[in-house]
Amino acid sequence: DVKVTQSSRYLVKRTGEKVFLECVQDMDHENMFWYRQDPGLGLRLIYFSYDVKMKEKGDIPEGYSVSREKKERFSLILESASTNQTSMYLCASSHLRTDGSKSNQPQHFGDGTRLSIL
Amino acid sequence: SQQGEEDPQALSIQEGENATMNCSYKTSINNLQWYRQNSGRGLVHLILIRSNEREKHSGRLRVTLDTSKKSSSLLITASRAADTASYFCATDEGRGSTLGRLYFGRGTQLTVWP
Repeated sequence: DVKVTQSSRYLVKRTGEKVFLECVQDMDHENMFWYRQDPGLGLRLIYFSYDVKMKEKGDIPEGYSVSREKKERFSLILESASTNQTSMYLCASSHLRTDGSKSNQPQHFGDGTRLSIL
Repeated sequence: SQQGEEDPQALSIQEGENATMNCSYKTSINNLQWYRQNSGRGLVHLILIRSNEREKHSGRLRVTLDTSKKSSSLLITASRAADTASYFCATDEGRGSTLGRLYFGRGTQLTVWP
């Protein structure tokens, strides 16, 4: 079974702090994703990566950065945490679609990090 | 945006009844996926239906896809209290898809009462 592990289930930080959220997957997936989930807004994509050292902005990248130095690890960084970044953060991974297939593959999610910024 | 939209936002039924959730999307797709999320947990992939398929089954799940109407439905038959969760549809972008990216709806919250 694919396992996506997020480093913390709950995290409390203060405004202005630099916050690191870590995600590790064990299935050699090429793609990795960071989402935030807020009531009534669904899942919103922050950043994703399709290869080591590659990153693409999602819909709400402002205030965030990412790092992918190794294939299995994708880190989300809040440069200077603010209260409006209090949220549930979900990491996911998937295989790159194979040649000849145009279907994006299912994503496998971690259990999330509930981050509170005080 | 390609984001799918589920309907209804919330659904409350008794055990043993069937639950039907709908999803609409805006542009062409290669596939549509359904996910489930238990409270406080991550999403779990349930089923994928390709754009050239009309219906797919997996256990008590039945998914239909109507590309002419840009809509899909998820039917859970003989529901159980353990089916209580949020259900999300997710689509890609069809031609010119951004590699691997999926667009999720806001979900249907299903509550199944014992």
